[in-house]
Amino acid sequence: GNSVTQMEGPVTLSEEAFLTINCTYTATGYPSLFWYVQYPGEGLQLLLKATKADDKGSNKGFEATYRKETTSFHLEKGSVQVSDSAVYFCALTRRSGNTGKLIFGQGTTLQVKP
Amino acid sequence: KAGVTQTPRYLIKTRGQQVTLSCSPISGHRSVSWYQQTPGQGLQFLFEYFSETQRNKGNFPGRFSGRQFSNSRSEMNVSTLELGDSALYLCASSLTSGTGEQYFGPGTRLTVT
Repeated sequence: GNSVTQMEGPVTLSEEAFLTINCTYTATGYPSLFWYVQYPGEGLQLLLKATKADDKGSNKGFEATYRKETTSFHLEKGSVQVSDSAVYFCALTRRSGNTGKLIFGQGTTLQVKP
Repeated sequence: KAGVTQTPRYLIKTRGQQVTLSCSPISGHRSVSWYQQTPGQGLQFLFEYFSETQRNKGNFPGRFSGRQFSNSRSEMNVSTLELGDSALYLCASSLTSGTGEQYFGPGTRLTVT
């Protein structure tokens, strides 16, 4: 079946450090891939997306590249800020079947210290 | 533009009772999806509605049901509540069906005692 696996958290970094959160997926066909972020006490917000192989999604300094050969969509940011502290979810939707069903990874908590 | 709103934000119910949660999508959005978030199971898809029709359903028992109205507002109902139904229920809207680009509400925190 379709699934998403993220690296275990929590991830604790100092401000201005480089961030990588690993995400790999299993899916039939060619899914669309997403990163969502959840700040404390809030719902999820779409951070970035990629819909086909080699696409790079980017937003607010975050980037992720759709790698079909390694079935990965790792999230990166060059210099994190305290305000980036949140839970990050990698997710996919299947292209076929016209479904909006998001399949999420388990989430990775990021804590950035000043 | 107003975001997705969910009511109520917090709810405490007793085992065996039923509950109805409400979701108002972003104006112009015609698709509404519901998700359950728990520490143990993470985020799980419940159902997706588009133009008052259920387009997709997750792997939940029949106690979980939903509907969508002509103005795209949606409700979900859980009957015969169990302790394990305690969770954050998130509603998300999108312009059309079949997209993972969804806009989430703040959620309804349901506690079953």
